[in-house]
Amino acid sequence: DTGVSQDPRHKITKRGQNVTFRCDPISEHNRLYWYRQTLGQGPEFLTYFQNEAQLEKSRLLSDRFSAERPKGSFSTLEIQRTEQGDSAMYLCASSTSRTGDPYEQYFGPGTRLTVT
Amino acid sequence: AQTVTQSQPEMSVQEAETVTLSCTYDTSESDYYLFWYKQPPSRQMILVIRQEAYKQQNATENRFSVNFQKAAKSFSLKISDSQLGDAAMYFCAYGEYGNKLVFGAGTILRVKS
Repeated sequence: DTGVSQDPRHKITKRGQNVTFRCDPISEHNRLYWYRQTLGQGPEFLTYFQNEAQLEKSRLLSDRFSAERPKGSFSTLEIQRTEQGDSAMYLCASSTSRTGDPYEQYFGPGTRLTVT
Repeated sequence: AQTVTQSQPEMSVQEAETVTLSCTYDTSESDYYLFWYKQPPSRQMILVIRQEAYKQQNATENRFSVNFQKAAKSFSLKISDSQLGDAAMYFCAYGEYGNKLVFGAGTILRVKS
C-alpha cells in the first residue's frame, strides 16, 4: 500500500491555459474524492466517484472543471481556461465503501496550482 | 446543509502540557462520522482520530482523545503530553457513510519548547 499519489505536485500556468491533474488512489479503494483548499482554509469538496461513476458534484465545480475516472482506478481533474481564482491546492482522497469499514478518507499530498 | 465550525483560529501549548481544540457542527442526521485531521506545514493531511455518532464512548488514540457531545453537537480534541511534532493545522470534519467530508476552517496549533 503506497498511499494516495498525485501528479504533478506543483503547476504554474498562465491565465487562460488548460491544466490536468492526476490522482492514483489506494489500490483497493473504490471511492475517490477531489477537494480544493485555499491558503489558511479547510478543504472544500468538489466531486467524488464510486468506481467509475461520478456520484456528486459541488456547485463549486463550474463548467470549466471536469473530472473523470474512466476505469475506476486513477482519476483526472481538468480545469479549462484557468483563472487566477483557481489558484489553490487540489487534494485527492480515497476510501472504501465496504460495509463495516470506517469510511476514513486518506489524502494525497495535493497539487498546488498557481495561475499567473 | 451540514456545517462545521472551529472557533479557535490559533492555539498555543507548552511542550508536555495538554490542549483542547474545539469543534461544533450542525446536522439534522442521526448517523454520521466525525474526524480530526492534522496537516503539518507543507505536508499532507493525516487522520488523527474518528468518532462514530452511534457510539457513546469517546474515541481515544494514544495521546489524542475526543469529547463527543451529540446533543450539543460538539466534538473537541484533547492532546495530552504535547510534543513539538504536534504543531500543525488541525481540521475537524463531518461525514456521512463515505460521502463527502465537510471541514471546518482549521485551528493552528503551536507547541512551545
